[in-house]
Amino acid sequence: ILNVEQSPQSLHVQEGDSTNFTCSFPSSNFYALHWYRWETAKSPEALFVMTLNGDEKKKGRISATLNTKEGYSYLYIKGSQPEDSATYLCAEVGGADGLTFGKGTHLIIQP
Amino acid sequence: NAGVTQTPKFQVLKTGQSMTLQCAQDMNHEYMSWYRQDPGMGLRLIHYSVGAGITDQGEVPNGYNVSRSTTEDFPLRLLSAAPSQTSVYFCASRFSGGQKNIQYFGAGTRLSVL
Repeated sequence: ILNVEQSPQSLHVQEGDSTNFTCSFPSSNFYALHWYRWETAKSPEALFVMTLNGDEKKKGRISATLNTKEGYSYLYIKGSQPEDSATYLCAEVGGADGLTFGKGTHLIIQP
Repeated sequence: NAGVTQTPKFQVLKTGQSMTLQCAQDMNHEYMSWYRQDPGMGLRLIHYSVGAGITDQGEVPNGYNVSRSTTEDFPLRLLSAAPSQTSVYFCASRFSGGQKNIQYFGAGTRLSVL
């Protein structure tokens, strides 16, 4: 079982501000890292799948970077909006093809 | 677009009762899995399957059984429910070779065991 850690656990951000949070994972035998967005009362939805060191992915105001050598990924949100409020999960793909999830960062955007 | 369908959405059981949580997907995904989500614990893998006829244990398999007789269906069975199994359960599926394949989740089943 991989040890995937996310920080901070929760985050309050003013509407319009930019923010970022971290996913840390074991850097040995890396296969891939997934980011998911999970709104309350809904199911998690995939944002990004990242596989290569130095990868940068972008989807609208949300972007992510990957450093497999040091074992971390950052998720950035530019100009936060109330609809960005959600829990953001990262998950590492292990050797048995399974996903090990972090506990998530709970993001609250305050108007 | 059905995707991953879970039933029921809500269930209340008494301690010792048995039940089956149903999961079906129509995307021809080889890989299916069950997670439970508890406050402060994130998503924890219960069981998974890499194809019909093949299942394996995840991080928290005790108290749960699974089977995979078809590609589409992956039911989760609680043989004798316990209060510790009160949780929200998510089924998920994706294509195998999972490095680049995103995972699709069902809407979840909220289970309470009294």
